[in-house]
Amino acid sequence: EVQLLESGGGLVQPGGSLRLSCAASGTSFTSFAMTWVRQAPGKGLEWVSAISARGDDTYYADSVKGRFTISRDNFKNIVFLQMNSLRGDDTAVYYCAQDRFGRPTGRYGLGWFDHWGQGTLATVST
Amino acid sequence: QSVLTQPPSLSGTPGQRVTISCSGTSSNIGSFTVNWYQQLPGKAPKLLMYGNNQRPSGVPDRFSGSKSGTSTSLAINGLQSDDEADYYCVAWDDSLNGVVFGGGTKLTVL
Repeated sequence: EVQLLESGGGLVQPGGSLRLSCAASGTSFTSFAMTWVRQAPGKGLEWVSAISARGDDTYYADSVKGRFTISRDNFKNIVFLQMNSLRGDDTAVYYCAQDRFGRPTGRYGLGWFDHWGQGTLATVST
Repeated sequence: QSVLTQPPSLSGTPGQRVTISCSGTSSNIGSFTVNWYQQLPGKAPKLLMYGNNQRPSGVPDRFSGSKSGTSTSLAINGLQSDDEADYYCVAWDDSLNGVVFGGGTKLTVL
């Protein structure tokens, strides 16, 4: 059974940093792209970032580009989201998800998320 | 504002058929397959439909998907109370070089 376990959320002041982690088990982790999706309180889902299976390609939403960095450790089966220059509108539950493919593929692209974690809450506030 | 457009809310009665629409552009739905996710209250999202109209194992055949041009829809037949959830359409966008979500549709079973 595939399990994704996020950690690293918490309370941080505006302008601060957080590093989220997502540990994967029960999966051929090195075969699949990984994604971060967030959900602000009472709002819809928002795609944040993705990384290819080998970690050689990264993708970002415009709202986080230049502030967030996604990376992965394929030896430890962990994907990270380094979040810098945090703002109040970054407050959200952050989910990691495993894509069906290793990189954008044909007519599927990315976005077929087979498995999701339970999320970790990041709160940006004074 | 979300790149993909969904109605914010819908409602139906048990046994009814409801359809959730999702519209996009040629750079997303027009060129790539669409996936749908169901999010029950307080839970993580769950894959409901992939590749426009394919159901993962365990998803009842009451759920179906279709696509035409730059629009797609999710139909739910025989509505049940535990279908009450938020539903999201998702696709790749090659203009944005990223994944795009619809704003979500809150389905209420009356």
